[in-house]
Amino acid sequence: KQEVTQIPAALSVPEGENLVLNCSFTDSAIYNLQWFRQDPGKGLTSLLLIQSSQREQTSGRLNASLDKSSGRSTLYIAASQPGDSATYLCARGGWGKLQFGAGTQVVVTP
Amino acid sequence: DVKVTQSSRYLVKRTGEKVFLECVQDMDHENMFWYRQDPGLGLRLIYFSYDVKMKEKGDIPEGYSVSREKKERFSLILESASTNQTSMYLCASSFTQGNQPQHFGDGTRLSIL
Repeated sequence: KQEVTQIPAALSVPEGENLVLNCSFTDSAIYNLQWFRQDPGKGLTSLLLIQSSQREQTSGRLNASLDKSSGRSTLYIAASQPGDSATYLCARGGWGKLQFGAGTQVVVTP
Repeated sequence: DVKVTQSSRYLVKRTGEKVFLECVQDMDHENMFWYRQDPGLGLRLIYFSYDVKMKEKGDIPEGYSVSREKKERFSLILESASTNQTSMYLCASSFTQGNQPQHFGDGTRLSIL
């Protein structure tokens, strides 16, 4: 069975520290890898999408890498801020469908 | 900006009722999806649709049906609601081509009493 795993389940860092969130998947035949943010009681906001032919994507303070051979993706958030506190989910993209990890809950303390 | 709108943020229904959850998107997306999200289980795909009047079962379709009569609208139907269908329901949409991300609505928190 294909699985997507996110470790750790929760993370607390002081403001200004860089965040590193990990995502692993068992099937390297992916179409894309997506990272989302979810605030409490809300839907998901798309952060970054890495196509299977790409190694990384960047948007502002966010950088996501993809290593298909090892089945891993990493989301880096530079110089974290309290507003970055949320749950971050990765999702493995098959044809049109997504398979989600359970998420990493991040708290950035002032 | 892409807008995916779910008709209700909160909904309370009784066991055995027929429940309709509505989702509308304004970006002419071909694909639409219904997920449920539960603590400890994450997001699970219930049904998806890649075109009008087309539907495909996801991972947990039992107890649910869907309807897509127009491209912009995708409805999730609980034929006879049960307490184990109490959950957060999320709708999403995306293009088929071009490796585009899925865009999500704000969710409907459904409680079945």
